[in-house]
Amino acid sequence: GAVVSQHPSWVICKSGTSVKIECRSLDFQATTMFWYRQFPKQSLMLMATSNEGSKATYEQGVEKDKFLINHASLTLSTLTVTSAHPEDSSFYICSASTRGREASPLHFGNGTRLTVT
Amino acid sequence: DAKTTQPPSMDCAEGRAANLPCNHSTISGNEYVYWYRQIHSQGPQYIIHGLKNNETNEMASLIITEDRKSSTLILPHATLRDTAVYYCIVRFRVFTTSGTYKYIFGTGTRLKVLA
Repeated sequence: GAVVSQHPSWVICKSGTSVKIECRSLDFQATTMFWYRQFPKQSLMLMATSNEGSKATYEQGVEKDKFLINHASLTLSTLTVTSAHPEDSSFYICSASTRGREASPLHFGNGTRLTVT
Repeated sequence: DAKTTQPPSMDCAEGRAANLPCNHSTISGNEYVYWYRQIHSQGPQYIIHGLKNNETNEMASLIITEDRKSSTLILPHATLRDTAVYYCIVRFRVFTTSGTYKYIFGTGTRLKVLA
């Protein structure tokens, strides 16, 4: 149980275009989803926390107009990288926590590798 | 900021126990410790978590010191497939209107299991 599906697993786009990444909790309801990014040989960096039905909370230094997060349902959150540039190339990973279970662990998707050319 | 510190790397012989330490000296009384591992180019995989008591599951054991300022993840019989980066995370409460938690990753320990 507790599977998080992330799509696409990789994407290549041209500079200036926008890319949408989907994160779905397949067999549980996720009140909260988290978006991370990871550069090569570095740790995961939290970008934003997404609560169902409300605006996302962004970490310091993360541009909310650049990285649009929508969490419209208890099973789906999306991250849109707008007007992508080569420096946005990274590994983006979403995660979700199970609704109603206080100490339940985060479950992670398998990530999306974004390459902006 | 991450609330944990871990050694950057460790080696372990295949078949032996791998003991991965984590320091979380600023942990608060109701904050949980979680362990994850990440194999190259994949999302982190949950291993185990605990609050005060030692925990064991099919993957590993978690030993938390009495003062809760440090913990050790034990992989009882390491295999080559256990080679990964292991992250120890303290989950802490964020006092916002949404009342959620944050999981901040530190730099982790790169464990290499040697044949």
